[in-house]
Amino acid sequence: DIQMTQSPSSLSASVGDRVTITCRASQGISNYLAWYQQKPGKVPKLLIYAASTLQSGVPSRFSGSGSGTDFTLTISSLQPEDVATYYCQKYNSALFTFGPGTKVDIK
Amino acid sequence: EVQLVESGGGLVQPGRSLRLSCAASGFTFDDYAMHWVRQAPGKGLEWVSGISWNSGSIGYADSVKGRFTISRDNAKNSLYLQMNSLRAEDTALYYCAKLTQELLLFDAFDIWGQGTMVTVSS
Repeated sequence: DIQMTQSPSSLSASVGDRVTITCRASQGISNYLAWYQQKPGKVPKLLIYAASTLQSGVPSRFSGSGSGTDFTLTISSLQPEDVATYYCQKYNSALFTFGPGTKVDIK
Repeated sequence: EVQLVESGGGLVQPGRSLRLSCAASGFTFDDYAMHWVRQAPGKGLEWVSGISWNSGSIGYADSVKGRFTISRDNAKNSLYLQMNSLRAEDTALYYCAKLTQELLLFDAFDIWGQGTMVTVSS
């Protein structure tokens, strides 16, 4: 089975900072990768699918890139409302595995 | 408005069974694959199971294979998860979710329900 890892597991950054989260698949998954944001006590929200396509309504400060095994989620200018845990997910096969998550907060 | 509403959670003893339901509205339910995802208290997201729009393709996580059964009733716009031989480690908030695009097997999840809590404890 393909395993998904994320780094870092948590980070603290200042408002306005550029934040990058990495997701790695143990085998190639082409661009079958999504990113979700989950704020405390809330339902997960789809941010990006197909590795780099921004979901409708998601602020343009969020972007995704990568293909194969290595992917990144970038927040170009961190805002207070971006405090959340971010998960990657692969969906190239019958096992829709999530990464362990990256918790982002404000310094 | 596209909406998913889960129900059926509760407190259950180890080894017993529980059936979760997910009522869908606001979209053409029988055109979309549907999935269950769970989240144990304070933990990350874990994909549980998925079913294609016509029930022709079904998948399970290794952790639930042989114990859980996913099904759907397109006439009732409903998704189900039959959970048997429940264990303490099945304790979690269970979400149902729909795929972003119709008539695809592999896609991201764009709409999630609010979840229903399952607690397995004696």
